[in-house]
Amino acid sequence: SQQGEEDPQALSIQEGENATMNCSYKTSINNLQWYRQNSGRGLVHLILIRSNEREKHSGRLRVTLDTSKKSSSLLITASRAADTASYFCATDAGGSYIPTFGRGTSLIVHP
Amino acid sequence: KAGVTQTPRYLIKTRGQQVTLSCSPISGHRSVSWYQQTPGQGLQFLFEYFSETQRNKGNFPGRFSGRQFSNSRSEMNVSTLELGDSALYLCASSLGRALTDTQYFGPGTRLTVL
Repeated sequence: SQQGEEDPQALSIQEGENATMNCSYKTSINNLQWYRQNSGRGLVHLILIRSNEREKHSGRLRVTLDTSKKSSSLLITASRAADTASYFCATDAGGSYIPTFGRGTSLIVHP
Repeated sequence: KAGVTQTPRYLIKTRGQQVTLSCSPISGHRSVSWYQQTPGQGLQFLFEYFSETQRNKGNFPGRFSGRQFSNSRSEMNVSTLELGDSALYLCASSLGRALTDTQYFGPGTRLTVL
């Protein structure tokens, strides 16, 4: 089974709206990363958040991490059509250094 | 800086054959990781090489192997191909170990096994 599981599996919104997707994991982690994948640019790293951090920002992206609930969320504010992609979280499963990806959230942003 | 490059981009093989995929990391990056992506299993970690040493291996059979050269370029080999090996194979490079550092992914090699 996957260490990280994204929720929802699919999300459809209008341009300008915010998009929130969640990642839950089973075992303790040292690091969690979010990635985006679309057909044009392949798999791109978005944000790395370490287990001792609670929140990180990068442009319109905000990532939170709640280690007590073993979950993370990715918020994209003021979404654009170009944000249409699949979003994945990846964890290291308790410091094993074996990256484990979830199945991803498919985000569609309608212009 | 040039990004991660993978060759070839597309490959068609038949069952039983073997295949070698190549990955050139970003200059200065010492870690190269390989992943298999399929619609059914998603993204799965194959192995990571750091300074020519395999540091971690995912849950794949011994038919999957790899190596890293002194210039950090890496190759992945799959022997005795099976239909289920059809997938997008992604390579990623990073300065430090995977998941402790930003990974930069290549465009992938699309392998089709007939």
